[in-house]
Amino acid sequence: EAGVAQSPRYKIIEKRQSVAFWCNPISGHATLYWYQQILGQGPKLLIQFQNNGVVDDSQLPKDRFSAERLKGVDSTLKIQPAKLEDSAVYLCASIGGQGNTEAFFGQGTRLTVV
Amino acid sequence: AQSVSQHNHHVILSEAASLELGCNYSYGGTVNLFWYVQYPGQHLQLLLKYFSGDPLVKGIKGFEAEFIKSKFSFNLRKPSVQWSDTAEYFCAVSLYQGGKLIFGQGTELSVKP
Repeated sequence: EAGVAQSPRYKIIEKRQSVAFWCNPISGHATLYWYQQILGQGPKLLIQFQNNGVVDDSQLPKDRFSAERLKGVDSTLKIQPAKLEDSAVYLCASIGGQGNTEAFFGQGTRLTVV
Repeated sequence: AQSVSQHNHHVILSEAASLELGCNYSYGGTVNLFWYVQYPGQHLQLLLKYFSGDPLVKGIKGFEAEFIKSKFSFNLRKPSVQWSDTAEYFCAVSLYQGGKLIFGQGTELSVKP
């Protein structure tokens, strides 16, 4: 089966600019996650969707980050305005199917804010 | 809040050496436990997982992990590492199946040929 697709792979922006990331999960996967992985740290959950509803966004900096999954399939994560500390890899993952307990990860988008 | 701690930030081994990577979590209830691996330039992949039953779980590529409930630990082991095992290893916990993964900070493993 096709994996989780993310784009772009790399992005360099100046601080205070905006940026958007896109994720296409594995077909049929109802649960979608966005994680932030800062260099030297483990991934940290930003937001979890179940179909097109938000399950957990407690760690999403809502003053600058937003995410949507309008049709319960693709998702976008936006940062506006970006700060230097937002430099990180943004990972998308999905889980789905009866009894499926494994989260499948995309390759991530590496964001550098200068 | 729940947390996961990995004991070593960077481990360097020679080929054929034995590996044990430590992982401890802080949560008193039932947990699901995972080890993920990230090879250079690749995405995170599941090595093995524990939900219930036999506390010794076997994963891909000869890896295994043991869940010790009394110690809140889930250490990863491999009897003989290969150069191709060079990667970053992450321990993770979720509180229910399909729930968010709480990751440790990762252990970078370098295997010298």
